[in-house]
Amino acid sequence: NAGVTQTPKFQVLKTGQSMTLQCAQDMNHEYMSWYRQDPGMGLRLIHYSVGAGITDQGEVPNGYNVSRSTTEDFPLRLLSAAPSQTSVYFCASSYSIGVGNTIYFGEGSWLTVV
Amino acid sequence: GQQLNQSPQSMFIQEGEDVSMNCTSSSIFNTWLWYKQEPGEGPVLLIALYKAGELTSNGRLTAQFGITRKDSFLNISASIPSDVGIYFCAGQGRSQGNLIFGKGTKLSVKP
Repeated sequence: NAGVTQTPKFQVLKTGQSMTLQCAQDMNHEYMSWYRQDPGMGLRLIHYSVGAGITDQGEVPNGYNVSRSTTEDFPLRLLSAAPSQTSVYFCASSYSIGVGNTIYFGEGSWLTVV
Repeated sequence: GQQLNQSPQSMFIQEGEDVSMNCTSSSIFNTWLWYKQEPGEGPVLLIALYKAGELTSNGRLTAQFGITRKDSFLNISASIPSDVGIYFCAGQGRSQGNLIFGKGTKLSVKP
């Protein structure tokens, strides 16, 4: 059971570089989302998707792009990385966005921007 | 927007002691969830609460959904060293399915 798979686990970027964090789930979940976790801040929602072809902004979307071309994949793109984007990123998925659906998290991607 | 206040921020306890942490909000939530996160890992769901007043247990863990829908607590009885980690509460509102997270309670257990 793969669940929610994130890659890479660790990444160091230079300011201004671009990169994509990959997220895939094999549970046929409609809802997928990206969170960032910073010390003392808990998890904050960046972007989410309620199904293929549909994305929306969360609490902290600036500097990030997403797309959802398939049900399985929900990549997060940093177009021009900034030191403020140094964080731990978690992808999550659930069967639907409705109340009561368990949200499963990936293992995280540690990103450092220098 | 909706915010959750989670307390305490950190706890240092002796093995065998009971632990209690809680979350409060100024907004009503329809679901309360409690997650545990260990170093280098993603959050793992411990307990989900769906009805006001609901009291649910999972082994040594017990959580309650406050009757006002604005708070929840998590108790851990007879703590053991493997309870170490950061515990997060999360609320899910009526109008949207996205989770709002508390800032976490870091638990340290001294053997």
